[in-house]
Amino acid sequence: DVVMTQSPPSLPVTLGQPASISCRSSQSLVHSDGNTYLGWFQQRPGQSPRPLIYKVSNRDSGVPDRFSGSGSGTDFTLKISRVEAEDVGVYYCLQGTHSWTFGQGTKVEI
Amino acid sequence: QVQLVESGGGVVQPGRSLRLSCAVSGISLSTHHMHWVRQAPGKGLEWVAVMWFDGSRQDYADSVKGRFTISRDSSKNMLYLQVNSLTAEDTAVYYCVRDNSGFDIWGQGTMVTVSS
Repeated sequence: DVVMTQSPPSLPVTLGQPASISCRSSQSLVHSDGNTYLGWFQQRPGQSPRPLIYKVSNRDSGVPDRFSGSGSGTDFTLKISRVEAEDVGVYYCLQGTHSWTFGQGTKVEI
Repeated sequence: QVQLVESGGGVVQPGRSLRLSCAVSGISLSTHHMHWVRQAPGKGLEWVAVMWFDGSRQDYADSVKGRFTISRDSSKNMLYLQVNSLTAEDTAVYYCVRDNSGFDIWGQGTMVTVSS
C-alpha cells in the first residue's frame, strides 16, 4: 500500500507571507497512463473538503491563483504565495495512482 | 449544477448495519468513478470504497473489506454504501465524492455513530 507522508503536521503562518506543505509518497505516483494522480484539498472547520489541485499542478475551478502545486515522482508541494485569513484550515494530499490514499493532514493556522 | 446529497446515517449499535445513500444530480453515474470517503471525529480523511464508472469493478480499503459494499442504481442516479458489522472505529462522517481525474465534487456528508 502507498503511504502518503505530509509535513509539517502543523504550520503557523503569517498573513501576506508564503507557505508551503510537503507530501511524499512511498512509491512513484506516475500512472501507467502517463498521468500523476496527486491532488490537494483544503478543509475548513465544519465543512466538506474543498478541492484545490488535481494531477499535481492543475487548479480546480474557482481556486485562487495564490495556490499552486508542483512536484513529480514521490515528492510534491502545495504553495500559498501570500497567505490570507481564509486559508486557515487543514490541508490534505491524495494519491489516486495506486488505489487511493490520503496524507494525514497539515493544520495551517495564523 | 452537480450535487451530491448523502443520507442514511444515524446512531447504531455495534454489530448492526446501515445503508448509506448518495443522491446524484447533474451528472450520470456512468461517466465517472464514484467514491465513499470517511472522516472520524477529529481525525483525517480515509478513502473507503470506489465504484468504477462502468460498474465493472468495486474496490475497498482493507479496513472495510468484507463488511462494506458499494453499489449503485443508475436508473435512480443513486450511489449506496451498505455497512455491516459496525464497530466504534466506523464512527465517522461519510462523504460521497465524484472522481474527475481528482476528487472534484463532495457531498455534505452523513454522520454514522456506532454506540451501545
